[in-house]
Amino acid sequence: QAQLVQSGAEVKKPGASVKVSCRASGHTLISYYMHWVRQAPGQGLEWMGFINPRGDSTSYAQKFQGRVTMTRDTSTSTVYLDLSSLTSEDTAVYYCASRGMEAAFQHWGQGTLVIVSS
Amino acid sequence: DLVMTQTPLSLSVTPGQPASISCKSPQSLLHTDGKTYLSWFLQRPGHSPHLLISEVSSRLSGVSDRFSGSGSGTDFTLKISRVEAEDVGLYYCMQTLYSPYTFGQGTKLEI
Repeated sequence: QAQLVQSGAEVKKPGASVKVSCRASGHTLISYYMHWVRQAPGQGLEWMGFINPRGDSTSYAQKFQGRVTMTRDTSTSTVYLDLSSLTSEDTAVYYCASRGMEAAFQHWGQGTLVIVSS
Repeated sequence: DLVMTQTPLSLSVTPGQPASISCKSPQSLLHTDGKTYLSWFLQRPGHSPHLLISEVSSRLSGVSDRFSGSGSGTDFTLKISRVEAEDVGLYYCMQTLYSPYTFGQGTKLEI
């Protein structure tokens, strides 16, 4: 069973950085592009960007350019989302999502809550 | 950024009755490869989003055949033929043709 398992909740102070992980198991999900999507409390979904299977190419939404870094460790089938210069507006649940056998965004992690608060 | 517009934003449906959600894009989502990059997701309360339909009308395996997607170019529709209690949640359309990929605002389906 293909599965994406994310790291646990984080509480950060404004100005800090956060690193969220997403480990793929049960299938070669790590062979696919991995996307990150976030959802602020009570709000809709917002796409942040993706990283390619080899981890040598990324595409970020312009809104996050300069603050976001996506990386992957193929040896552990894990992708990472690094977000810096956090503000309260970054408080959200962060999801990783990958393509499956049928379509893009077929598999989703369980989400990681990041709270930014002083 | 491409703003995807969903209507209605909320929907209250009696079990067994049909439901329909519209999603409009300001630009065509038809790629030169012949595919149209519009998907539909359901997010049940407290859960991650779940892909229902990709490329306008391709229902994912395991998704009830009560769900169907249609449309072309800029106008798309998700239909539920007979709403059931498990269909409650937020429905989102998403375009993946133009970067940044964008979602509709979401439509809340209640019973």
